[in-house]
Amino acid sequence: ETGVTQTPRHLVMGMTNKKSLKCEQHLGHNAMYWYKQSAKKPLELMFVYNFKEQTENNSVPSRFSPECPNSSHLFLHLHTLQPEDSALYLCASSQEERGNEQYFGPGTRLTVT
Amino acid sequence: GESVGLHLPTLSVQEGDNSIINCAYSNSASDYFIWYKQESGKGPQFIIDIRSNMDKRQGQRVTVLLNKTVKHLSLQIAATQPGDSAVYFCAEKETGGFKTIFGAGTRLFVKA
Repeated sequence: ETGVTQTPRHLVMGMTNKKSLKCEQHLGHNAMYWYKQSAKKPLELMFVYNFKEQTENNSVPSRFSPECPNSSHLFLHLHTLQPEDSALYLCASSQEERGNEQYFGPGTRLTVT
Repeated sequence: GESVGLHLPTLSVQEGDNSIINCAYSNSASDYFIWYKQESGKGPQFIIDIRSNMDKRQGQRVTVLLNKTVKHLSLQIAATQPGDSAVYFCAEKETGGFKTIFGAGTRLFVKA
């Protein structure tokens, strides 16, 4: 166990659905990240939060909406997704935004139908 | 948490042999490098790191080599075991920056 949990582990949703992914870290870290891992590209950074403030939005479409209510929790709200958004969504945390080692959760495998 | 259908370079080794996984990085300003291991059903896990002021660092059964001249990184696994079967990612970062850049990964198969 890495100390980072993600729910759900698997999600199938239609293009008109709204769903949310949840991440929680039990490591006392201050920075949290969302990554996308797909069949066509390496790990892609989506969002970075440091002390609950978003510090990076890596040109992610607005159909992905992150939320970080506190340093331990991170959400990714999904709406009107496309089939090409099907991927593994990984959450990670680090001691601080500019910290080096990141701890990853197990990911949520998302399928958009 | 496995890499979803990536067409990755693959390395197949016999159990007990040594494995060498290579990586070319892109940013000359990167000064911190990390190797991650991703097993099926899990997210990437930290293995070992190295800073640019070093060219070699050893851990338990793993060694990372850094050649800054040609921007090349390698991971050596001694006495490879079936439990080492996974996808291995190199990553690069500038100290003080927030963005870690991951490579595409190499899939390691260990034959018993």
